[in-house]
Amino acid sequence: AQSVAQPEDQVNVAEGNPLTVKCTYSVSGNPYLFWYVQYPNRGLQFLLKYITGDNLVKGSYGFEAEFNKSQTSFHLKKPSALVSDSALYFCAVREPLRWAGNNRKLIWGLGTSLAVNP
Amino acid sequence: NAGVTQTPKFRVLKTGQSMTLLCAQDMNHEYMYWYRQDPGMGLRLIHYSVGEGTTAKGEVPDGYNVSRLKKQNFLLGLESAAPSQTSVYFCASTPGTGNDEQYFGPGTRLTVT
Repeated sequence: AQSVAQPEDQVNVAEGNPLTVKCTYSVSGNPYLFWYVQYPNRGLQFLLKYITGDNLVKGSYGFEAEFNKSQTSFHLKKPSALVSDSALYFCAVREPLRWAGNNRKLIWGLGTSLAVNP
Repeated sequence: NAGVTQTPKFRVLKTGQSMTLLCAQDMNHEYMYWYRQDPGMGLRLIHYSVGEGTTAKGEVPDGYNVSRLKKQNFLLGLESAAPSQTSVYFCASTPGTGNDEQYFGPGTRLTVT
């Protein structure tokens, strides 16, 4: 069965330090992987995705994520955290269409709350 | 483009009342989704649609109905609201043409008393 795990409910980092938000997955075939961010009282915003190709994916707001097939992980990273990065981060995964057919549903992690302290 | 919009933004219902949440997108997307978000439970898919005139159940469909009479609109109905339906509801859409991400609306905060 498909699943996504975000093992940390909350991550705290100091401003200027690197940050990592972890995500592991379990799907059939090669996964399509996504990161979204949710600021307080807002909808989710797309950050980045991995479909194929280079394992390091760059996205919005200086974020990047590294796909590791052997560890089935897709961790979100940023070299230098900002206080404005404080938000809820969601990892999501989708099976390739040849496995999922017409079903383009995403499987969502439970989210990780990132707090960046001044 | 307005993207994905949701109406209303807030609503308080009494148990047993009914209401309809409207989602509209102006991006000509084929796929639309309704989620609910509850603390500690992430996003849970209620219903979705793969095109005009189609609907399908997600993981938590009980107590909800949906309709997609026009491609740009996806309606979520609560026929008899229950306190367990107190939640924040998000609509999302995606083109359905490839490896596409979902675009989200701003959400509707619903309280059932």
